[in-house]
Amino acid sequence: EPEVTQTPSHQVTQMGQEVILRCVPISNHLYFYWYRQILGQKVEFLVSFYNNEISEKSEIFDDQFSVERPDGSNFTLKIRSTKLEDSAMYFCASSWGLKDEQYFGPGTRLTVT
Amino acid sequence: AQSVTQLDSQVPVFEEAPVELRCNYSSSVSVYLFWYVQYPNQGLQLLLKYLSGSTLVKGINGFEAEFNKSQTSFHLRKPSVHISDTAEYFCAVSLTDSWGKLQFGAGTQVVVTP
Repeated sequence: EPEVTQTPSHQVTQMGQEVILRCVPISNHLYFYWYRQILGQKVEFLVSFYNNEISEKSEIFDDQFSVERPDGSNFTLKIRSTKLEDSAMYFCASSWGLKDEQYFGPGTRLTVT
Repeated sequence: AQSVTQLDSQVPVFEEAPVELRCNYSSSVSVYLFWYVQYPNQGLQLLLKYLSGSTLVKGINGFEAEFNKSQTSFHLRKPSVHISDTAEYFCAVSLTDSWGKLQFGAGTQVVVTP
């Protein structure tokens, strides 16, 4: 069964450093998403992406964040200058259509020290 | 603004007993409703969803949920749980004009013991 994969599973970085979280969505899906879950808090929507453009983004998704689909298979989330409060589990998801089920990856745990 | 409340952070239950996980939402517009499950070290997996039509929705692994518009609830039930149902369960909503943006509740940890 096709699945969404994410790398790395755990990333440790120092405050102020740039990080790139990588996701490989399911191959025929057209919509891509990033969510995050700070420890002990709710899963929060960050951004949705379609046709090489951001469809929607939350207030959390400020200028420090960017997303990209650099090739036909990867979908990345970049944080330019990490803060301590960016420490969280980041989930990638994809769906075929906007009203279809979102399939989630296993997550990347980002720890900012 | 819309919000999702899961009333129980943890629900202990014995194997083969029934379980109900409560979810309430608030929204000024129509919503779509979902339940996701997260097993340890895995991503979120869709259990079931309500878009329209019958208010009783059946999902995978024997779970079902009932949409109650007057009570703004979408409670999840299973008549007989297995040890393998130990997981965290998330209720989520999306607005009908913002489908892709899921908003999640805080989650309910279900622990099934023999």
